[in-house]
Amino acid sequence: QVQLVQSGAEVKKPGASVRVSCEASGYSFKDSYIHWVRQAPGQGLEWMGWISPDTGGTDIAQKFQGRVSMTSDTSISTAYMELSSLTSDDTAVYYCARWAATSAYWGQGTLVTVSS
Amino acid sequence: EIVLTQSPGTLSLSPGERATLSCRASQSVVSNSLAWFQQKPGQPPRVLIYAASSRATGIPDRFSGSGSGTDFTLTISRLEPEDFAVFYCHQYGSSPQTFGQGTRLEIK
Repeated sequence: QVQLVQSGAEVKKPGASVRVSCEASGYSFKDSYIHWVRQAPGQGLEWMGWISPDTGGTDIAQKFQGRVSMTSDTSISTAYMELSSLTSDDTAVYYCARWAATSAYWGQGTLVTVSS
Repeated sequence: EIVLTQSPGTLSLSPGERATLSCRASQSVVSNSLAWFQQKPGQPPRVLIYAASSRATGIPDRFSGSGSGTDFTLTISRLEPEDFAVFYCHQYGSSPQTFGQGTRLEIK
């Protein structure tokens, strides 16, 4: 079955960077974009962007441009999202997700806490 | 950017009742590329509806979606106890993709 397994929780200081990984299984990794969505505590969902594992192309929301890097390694079916210049406003659960033809699959989420 | 506005913010109903949730877009959603997600505490979202009215794999037929252009609706025909959660609409036809702010469906 399709699974997206994310890396574990992170605690970072303001100004630092964080990299979250998302390992895919159960389907052909190159066939679907991987999306990144975040959710601040008690708040709604915020789309950050996607990466095409096939081409490496990305579409990143303007809010995050210059601060987010989305990459993938097809040899290990893993996508990465790196967010730099962290502030307390970046404290959130970060999800990777795959929109398939008739469904959607999500990772379990990675809590990133930014605190001095 | 397409802004999605969901209403009501909170909906209080009893099991067995019918729920109607609204999602209004600030401009027309391309190709009715509108999905509905359900999220329970501590869990990732689960897709219910895609392309405005198509049920996702494994979703019970008490969930239905309708609408086009700028106005969309999620209907739950008869609420089951496990349906109470937060619901989000999501447009994926234009970049940036956007989510509504959510509707909380609570037990009355």
